[in-house]
Amino acid sequence: GAVVSQHPSRVICKSGTSVKIECRSLDFQATTMFWYRQFPKQSLMLMATSNEGSKATYEQGVEKDKFLINHASLTLSTLTVTSAHPEDSSFYICSASPSGTSGTIYFGEGSWLTVV
Amino acid sequence: AQSVTQPDIHITVSEGASLELRCNYSYGATPYLFWYVQSPGQGLQLLLKYFSGDTLVQGIKGFEAEFKRSQSSFNLRKPSVHWSDAAEYFCAVGGGYQKVTFGIGTKLQVIP
Repeated sequence: GAVVSQHPSRVICKSGTSVKIECRSLDFQATTMFWYRQFPKQSLMLMATSNEGSKATYEQGVEKDKFLINHASLTLSTLTVTSAHPEDSSFYICSASPSGTSGTIYFGEGSWLTVV
Repeated sequence: AQSVTQPDIHITVSEGASLELRCNYSYGATPYLFWYVQSPGQGLQLLLKYFSGDTLVQGIKGFEAEFKRSQSSFNLRKPSVHWSDAAEYFCAVGGGYQKVTFGIGTKLQVIP
């Protein structure tokens, strides 16, 4: 079946540095991917919609300059957390749907980010 | 706007007992519905999903869910809970290429 791979699964970085998380659709093309974040003991909230070849669409309250999203190809979207702070520590997860299909949504395994 | 309500934030059941986790959704068209499970410090695992067809959906680990359009519900059930089922369960609704909206989650505790 279709697989979405996310890397790294866990990462620890120092405050002030940037960290990149990759989301890859391994056996299908996805013109749109979604990035979610899970706050401690809360549900997952949509951060942004990643559109291949164009700018991402951010949800209200999400800092686009802090959470840089790049969707350079039909199989890869990246989320870069810039100038990370401890409050950015969270679980980030992406999802993708094969282009030309409807309703088949696949999630990556998620990435745990810890900023120290 | 789509939304998901999981009315039970925390549920405790005895091992071997039956389980039902409630989920109600709001969606403007035919919904795509999901149940995910997340163990502490782990990622999301898809238990089951409903897109169309039979309203009773079988998933992994012995879970099933029933889509009831008239009640806008998609409750998750398991006839006999195992200690390893202790985790957080998320109901979610989405559609097509659209974003998925998650419920707040239900934390399941299993007691011996």
